[in-house]
Amino acid sequence: GAVVSQHPSRVICKSGTSVKIECRSLDFQATTMFWYRQFPKKSLMLMATSNEGSKATYEQGVEKDKFLINHASLTLSTLTVTSAHPEDSSFYICSARDIVGRNTDTQYFGPGTRLTVL
Amino acid sequence: GQNIDQPTEMTATEGAIVQINCTYQTSGFNGLFWYQQHAGEAPTFLSYNVLDGLEEKGRFSSFLSRSKGYSYLLLKELQMKDSASYLCAVSRSGTYKYIFGTGTRLKVLA
Repeated sequence: GAVVSQHPSRVICKSGTSVKIECRSLDFQATTMFWYRQFPKKSLMLMATSNEGSKATYEQGVEKDKFLINHASLTLSTLTVTSAHPEDSSFYICSARDIVGRNTDTQYFGPGTRLTVL
Repeated sequence: GQNIDQPTEMTATEGAIVQINCTYQTSGFNGLFWYQQHAGEAPTFLSYNVLDGLEEKGRFSSFLSRSKGYSYLLLKELQMKDSASYLCAVSRSGTYKYIFGTGTRLKVLA
């Protein structure tokens, strides 16, 4: 149980284009999902908290117009990187919080999306 | 302020026992988590502690002392596949957000 999927796993795009990344909780409902960014050999940096049915809350320094988040249902959140630039190249990971599990604080992570902007 | 400290790297031998420490200072505490992350993959959940004491799960155990702001992950009977980064994360009460440590890269040698 507690499986989270992400799609695509890897994407290469041209500078200036937009890229959408999907995060799905496959066997549980998640009112809250989180989006992280990870640089090589570094830990996870929280970008934003995605709440089902309401606006996402962004961490300080993260541009909300650059990283659009939509949490349309209890099992799906999307992150759109708009007008991507090479500095946006990174490993993006989502996580979902299981609202009915033994410990509702546990986050389950998706497999990540490797974004390369040329 | 918020701070979570872990050693950057550790090396151990196959079959041995290794202890990875984590110290934290956070405003609000709602549990401490350990995750394993292999290179290029997402973190996988290992353990959760919210009360003081030891939680054992197979070859892995995790300990918490809230008064000391200290936790450790104990890995027994090390295997080559245990070579990975181990992330310590603290959940802040009221937000469900995690604060992650920098992670400890463990290398298991034959």
